[in-house]
Amino acid sequence: DGGITQSPKYLFRKEGQNVTLSCEQNLNHDAMYWYRQDPGQGLRLIYYSQIVNDFQKGDIAEGYSVSREKKESFPLTVTSAQKNPTAFYLCASSTAGRNEQFFGPGTRLTVL
Amino acid sequence: QKEVEQDPGPLSVPEGAIVSLNCTYSNSAFQYFMWYRQYSRKGPELLMYTYSSGNKEDGRFTAQVDKSSKYISLFIRDSQPSDSATYLCAMRNTGGFKTIFGAGTRLFVKA
Repeated sequence: DGGITQSPKYLFRKEGQNVTLSCEQNLNHDAMYWYRQDPGQGLRLIYYSQIVNDFQKGDIAEGYSVSREKKESFPLTVTSAQKNPTAFYLCASSTAGRNEQFFGPGTRLTVL
Repeated sequence: QKEVEQDPGPLSVPEGAIVSLNCTYSNSAFQYFMWYRQYSRKGPELLMYTYSSGNKEDGRFTAQVDKSSKYISLFIRDSQPSDSATYLCAMRNTGGFKTIFGAGTRLFVKA
């Protein structure tokens, strides 16, 4: 089955910790994205990558970091510099030149 | 002012009703319009995709774009309890890389 997987489904972080959220796709998509979703707000773009070894900041990149070493994988690290990290994090991917994005099931991060 | 405005609802309708969900936008450069359905604690799934103005129909769903009014709609005919979800509109301009999402409208279809 082709699709996007995210792990873990739920993640708890203590103050001052860095945590990494996993995103893997087997759709052979070139582009991958990370969004943050908060209640009552639209999806906000954190980072995106159009090709391997290249990525760009989105609207709310502060306190986050990413890597794109493989086409299939786009992990997101939430660093201790992110002051309000509790949110639902969504990974998406798309084919180059296409506008439709396909989403993973999400990771809910809670800061304790 | 947000680039995309969407009434958060909730919208509650009886089973079998016709549902109308709407978004307005301010950027006249948007050319690509999408509707996503998101069930609670799940990732959004793409429902409809349209380019520029006009209508597109897929089963019980019809997407409508009125670029002159900067207004898009999603109609759901014969609504079912399984349609209960949050519906997100999304749009993008030609050559742009960023997709702008509405905040979503929560829909409840009562059996």
